Amino acid sequence: GNSVTQMEGPVTLSEEAFLTINCTYTATGYPSLFWYVQYPGEGLQLLLKATKADDKGSNKGFEATYRKETTSFHLEKGSVQVSDSAVYFCALFEAGGSYIPTFGRGTSLIVHP
Amino acid sequence: DTGVSQDPRHKITKRGQNVTFRCDPISEHNRLYWYRQTLGQGPEFLTYFQNEAQLEKSRLLSDRFSAERPKGSFSTLEIQRTEQGDSAMYLCASSLGQGSNQPQHFGDGTRLSIL
Repeated sequence: GNSVTQMEGPVTLSEEAFLTINCTYTATGYPSLFWYVQYPGEGLQLLLKATKADDKGSNKGFEATYRKETTSFHLEKGSVQVSDSAVYFCALFEAGGSYIPTFGRGTSLIVHP
Repeated sequence: DTGVSQDPRHKITKRGQNVTFRCDPISEHNRLYWYRQTLGQGPEFLTYFQNEAQLEKSRLLSDRFSAERPKGSFSTLEIQRTEQGDSAMYLCASSLGQGSNQPQHFGDGTRLSIL
């Protein structure tokens, strides 16, 4: 079956530091890949997506590149802010299958001033 | 702009009681998903609908769980004879179209606490 593996958290950074959150996946077909963000007490919000190999998704300074050869979709941001503190989820959604989405367990990011 | 709405936001009930949650998706969205999320975990897929048809329900956690979307608009998730292990956040999401590249829009969830 499909699976998504994210790096363990929490990731603790100082403001303006560089962020990487690793995500790798296994899938039988050709999935679309997503990053979602969840702030305390809220539902998940789409952060960015990529639908095919070598696509780069970007939004609000975050970016991730769909790497088929390494089955990865790592999230990066050049300079984090305190307001980026949240839980980040990597997810895949496979076309042509049963359309069951698969989410990672989430990585908590804490940014200190 | 109305996003996905879930009601209630919080539900506290005694073990053995039945509970029902409601989800109102974004109006033009034809797909609707239910998930369970426990602390420190990602959303766990339960079931989904395309319009009024429930296309996947094998992941519902037990026969105590059921979902409906009678007119292809709002949906309800019912848990019968609740158990303490049912305590979790229940999330609803909706999306437009059939493609795998369509993102899901999530509600803020219903937090269920079983006493």
